[in-house]
Amino acid sequence: SAVISQKPSRDICQRGTSLTIQCQVDSQVTMMFWYRQQPGQSLTLIATANQGSEATYESGFVIDKFPISRPNLTFSTLTVSNMSPEDSSIYLCSVWRGSSYEQYFGPGTRLTVT
Amino acid sequence: QKEVEQDPGPLSVPEGAIVSLNCTYSNSAFQYFMWYRQYSRKGPELLMYTYSSGNKEDGRFTAQVDKSSKYISLFIRDSQPSDSATYLCGGTGRRALTFGSGTRLQVQP
Repeated sequence: SAVISQKPSRDICQRGTSLTIQCQVDSQVTMMFWYRQQPGQSLTLIATANQGSEATYESGFVIDKFPISRPNLTFSTLTVSNMSPEDSSIYLCSVWRGSSYEQYFGPGTRLTVT
Repeated sequence: QKEVEQDPGPLSVPEGAIVSLNCTYSNSAFQYFMWYRQYSRKGPELLMYTYSSGNKEDGRFTAQVDKSSKYISLFIRDSQPSDSATYLCGGTGRRALTFGSGTRLQVQP
C-alpha cells in the first residue's frame, strides 16, 4: 500500500481567494492524481500530475482554475483558484505504486467556500 | 451514459447477512477493477483489486468480474456493523480509475 498525507485536512475559505493543497507520499510512486468528491457524490478525476511537466487535465477542468505542481516523485500540490461556493468539495490525492495499477487515496481535504 | 453505473442505495441488511454490491460498466478498455470502502469523512480505502475476469477472495470479501457482461460484484459474508460505509467500484484501462456513484451500506446490529 502507500501512506499518503494531505495538508490541510480541512479549510473554510472566502469567495475569490485561493487554496493550495499538499500531497505527500511515503515513497516514490509512478503516478499521482487529483480527484474531487462533491457532497454525496462519487469521485471525479481532475487531473494527472506529471513530474517535471504540465499536468494532464480532464474535460471540464482547466489549468487556470486548478494549477498543479509535481516537483518530484513523492509530492504534489493542487491549487483551487478564485474560489466560489461551487468549489466546496473534498479534494483527494491518489497514487499508483509500481506497475499493478492499484490506486491508493489520501485522507482528503475538505474545502468549504463561503 | 456514465462509464460506471452503481446503485446508490442505501442498502440496509441485518448483521450476519451476505451482502451483494454490483456495478456495470460500458468501457471495453477496462481491464483492472477495484472496490473501495469509504467511511464518512475519510478517504477511500482499497478493498479488492481484480485483473480481467474471474473471482478473487480475501477473508469475508469476494470480488467477481464478468467482462462478457461488463458486470462487477462485491460480496461480503457475515456482514458486521463495522462494514457500514459507502462502497465504490472503479475500472480502468491503464489510466486513472473511473468510479461509480457509490452504494451506501448499513448493517444493522
